[in-house]
Amino acid sequence: ILNVEQSPQSLHVQEGDSTNFTCSFPSSNFYALHWYRWETAKSPEALFVMTLNGDEKKKGRISATLNTKEGYSYLYIKGSQPEDSATYLCASVMDSSYKLIFGSGTRLLVRP
Amino acid sequence: DVKVTQSSRYLVKRTGEKVFLECVQDMDHENMFWYRQDPGLGLRLIYFSYDVKMKEKGDIPEGYSVSREKKERFSLILESASTNQTSMYLCASSLNRLEKLFFGSGTQLSVL
Repeated sequence: ILNVEQSPQSLHVQEGDSTNFTCSFPSSNFYALHWYRWETAKSPEALFVMTLNGDEKKKGRISATLNTKEGYSYLYIKGSQPEDSATYLCASVMDSSYKLIFGSGTRLLVRP
Repeated sequence: DVKVTQSSRYLVKRTGEKVFLECVQDMDHENMFWYRQDPGLGLRLIYFSYDVKMKEKGDIPEGYSVSREKKERFSLILESASTNQTSMYLCASSLNRLEKLFFGSGTQLSVL
């Protein structure tokens, strides 16, 4: 089983704080890395799909970087807001596979 | 917008019953997935399909089967429901391996 790990498991920050989480995945046969945000009572929604080593993607206050050689990705949130409170999931796809394997997520709570 | 529709939001079944969970997507996506979500375990892949009548086992296929007779519909079948199959079930679809997943709203299944 492909092992995708996320840290920390949970995070409580104050409104306005910047924060970041880590996703680790096997670097061999890497194909793509996905990030999703999952708010309570809603469906997971895609943030980014990344494939290239060194790639950096940005969406508003959220950005992500990718290191395929060492097998990790960082997700950054600048100036966290209460509406950023959610579980953030990463998922990895290996070459020659259609399987998208998820980590267990990082649960973020932003206090007003 | 892509729509992924799961037939039931909440379902209560008895041990030993045969259970069908239906998922329909309206964007002609090639790939469809079934995941279950349990606290602390993240999303775990049960089965996926990359074409009509094609299916592949995910990481936890035991006790489940699937059917994809038409491109838009992917059904998850619990042949004989057991209490350890009580979980949130999420269906998802994607255009191809490089594209993001679109998720349904989930089915919370309770097996008594």
